Amino acid sequence: AQSVTQLDSHVSVSEGTPVLLRCNYSSSYSPSLFWYVQHPNKGLQLLLKYTSAATLVKGINGFEAEFKKSETSFHLTKPSAHMSDAAEYFCVVSGNTDKLIFGTGTRLQVFP
Amino acid sequence: KAGVTQTPRYLIKTRGQQVTLSCSPISGHRSVSWYQQTPGQGLQFLFEYFSETQRNKGNFPGRFSGRQFSNSRSEMNVSTLELGDSALYLCASSRGDWTDTQYFGPGTRLTVL
Repeated sequence: AQSVTQLDSHVSVSEGTPVLLRCNYSSSYSPSLFWYVQHPNKGLQLLLKYTSAATLVKGINGFEAEFKKSETSFHLTKPSAHMSDAAEYFCVVSGNTDKLIFGTGTRLQVFP
Repeated sequence: KAGVTQTPRYLIKTRGQQVTLSCSPISGHRSVSWYQQTPGQGLQFLFEYFSETQRNKGNFPGRFSGRQFSNSRSEMNVSTLELGDSALYLCASSRGDWTDTQYFGPGTRLTVL
């Protein structure tokens, strides 16, 4: 069985400071891991995905995530937050099917 | 390439009615998955269709059903609507291999009164 735990429901940062959104996963299989972002009243947009290639994954808009098997973590980072990054972020795992298991989400607030 | 489209974008229904939502996948994608998003339960998987066959199913009652047509377009039906069915319904399409990325549509906002 697969599951994800997003460790923070809300994260607040100032514009220009680093962003860290934490995610731990559990999977019986070698997992595929994703980060999706959802802006208000919008659908989900893929930021990045890990599928057992390089452990450091670069995504869109300057985001990246590192897969750490020993820690079962897949934290999302960005060196410098922008006001437009304010949104809800979902860590997602899939096993060997097309069924995605979503975390509960982390709401990122960015203050000027 | 056009993205995933969902119609209608907004719906208001009353309890006991039924509703049909539509999803058109990205051209060439053969898999369509449906998800329900609510503030209380978050994002939950409903079902997935691949080549007109239901391939995966989540833990929802039988009032929730779906189908997929030969052109990969999919519909989702909810019968005997309950207040708790109010949600954002998202569909996602992919080529069909489980390692493929799923691309999401903008969703249909269903309100049950």
